[in-house]
Amino acid sequence: DAGVIQSPRHEVTEMGQEVTLRCKPISGHNSLFWYRQTMMRGLELLIYFNNNVPIDDSGMPEDRFSAKMPNASFSTLKIQPSEPRDSAVYFCASSSLAGALDNEQFFGPGTRLTVL
Amino acid sequence: LAKTTQPISMDSYEGQEVNITCSHNNIATNDYITWYQQFPSQGPRFIIQGYKTKVTNEVASLFIPADRKSSTLSLPRVSLSDTAVYYCLVGGLGSARQLTFGSGTQLTVLP
Repeated sequence: DAGVIQSPRHEVTEMGQEVTLRCKPISGHNSLFWYRQTMMRGLELLIYFNNNVPIDDSGMPEDRFSAKMPNASFSTLKIQPSEPRDSAVYFCASSSLAGALDNEQFFGPGTRLTVL
Repeated sequence: LAKTTQPISMDSYEGQEVNITCSHNNIATNDYITWYQQFPSQGPRFIIQGYKTKVTNEVASLFIPADRKSSTLSLPRVSLSDTAVYYCLVGGLGSARQLTFGSGTQLTVLP
């Protein structure tokens, strides 16, 4: 398996623009997580899907952030409009609740977002 | 949520055993202890998970005392490539929301 795939790997945009981050989880995994990592705040869980359904989005910072999972193999995290304080590395992770170690999350390589 | 406390940083030399201790005084009965490793510019990677006593895999060992209020990750004979941030997390199985990543411990392995 190729692991969790994220795109783009790097994104530079200007304040006010819409940004869409994409994630393909590991095939067969039924849970998907979006995280944000910054030096100041560390690694924060933004939203968590189980079987394509959002379970907990309390970590989503503002209404400017939205996430969707239209099917088991694809998810998006959208920021509209983007602001400089959204600059961070965004990670997607997936896991299988049916696994023996269901706290084992597999992380993608991340998307480094810079909002100018 | 069970809060964890671990040292901000540690230094070691190649070939030494490294022990990183994490405190989690308010761990709940159904909480497991999980450790992740993160290299620069990469996502965290699962290392080991345990509930009590000792767990060992090909990478590390995890020691958990009877009261479970702390745990120690043991890395045998570290190499330069083990330089990374190590996170201790506490939460129930399947309760992803409870998997809060703290500040972690920056381990630096020196030659």
